[in-house]
Amino acid sequence: EPEVTQTPSHQVTQMGQEVILRCVPISNHLYFYWYRQILGQKVEFLVSFYNNEISEKSEIFDDQFSVERPDGSNFTLKIRSTKLEDSAMYFCASSEIGRVGEQFFGPGTRLTVL
Amino acid sequence: GDSVTQMEGPVTLSEEAFLTINCTYTATGYPSLFWYVQYPGEGLQLLLKATKADDKGSNKGFEATYRKETTSFHLEKGSVQVSDSAVYFCAPNSGGSNYKLTFGKGTLLTVNP
Repeated sequence: EPEVTQTPSHQVTQMGQEVILRCVPISNHLYFYWYRQILGQKVEFLVSFYNNEISEKSEIFDDQFSVERPDGSNFTLKIRSTKLEDSAMYFCASSEIGRVGEQFFGPGTRLTVL
Repeated sequence: GDSVTQMEGPVTLSEEAFLTINCTYTATGYPSLFWYVQYPGEGLQLLLKATKADDKGSNKGFEATYRKETTSFHLEKGSVQVSDSAVYFCAPNSGGSNYKLTFGKGTLLTVNP
């Protein structure tokens, strides 16, 4: 069964450093998403991406964040200058066209900012 | 925008007990409704969905009925198993230009043998 994959599974970084989280969505999906879950809190939407551009973003997704689809398979989330409060589990998801609500999630990357 | 109010947990049940997790939503127009499940250490998985009023979504013994008049989508299972222990999230999606899922806080279910 096709699945969304994410790398790395755990990333530790120093405050102020840049991190790139990587995702490989399901191959025939055209919508891509990033969510995050701070420990013990709810899953929060960050951004959605379709047709090589951001289609929607939340207030959390400020200028420190960016997304990119650098090739035909990867989808990345970059945090330019990490803060302590960026520590969270980051989930990538993808969905088929016409089935936006049926999102397939990856296993997540746990980001720890020290 | 979309929002959801979900039953606070944690919920602890014995195996074979009946489960109900309440969910009410607010959304634009006629949203699709989803229940997602997060097993320990894993990402979220779609459990079931309903796309219009009075639809019943079902999967793995779980059911939820789209009640437009009460804006609810309560999750039920007649006989829970230890393997159902997980966090359950209700989420509406209004569609159109709204691409995101808006999750509730989640309900932690623990099933004891």
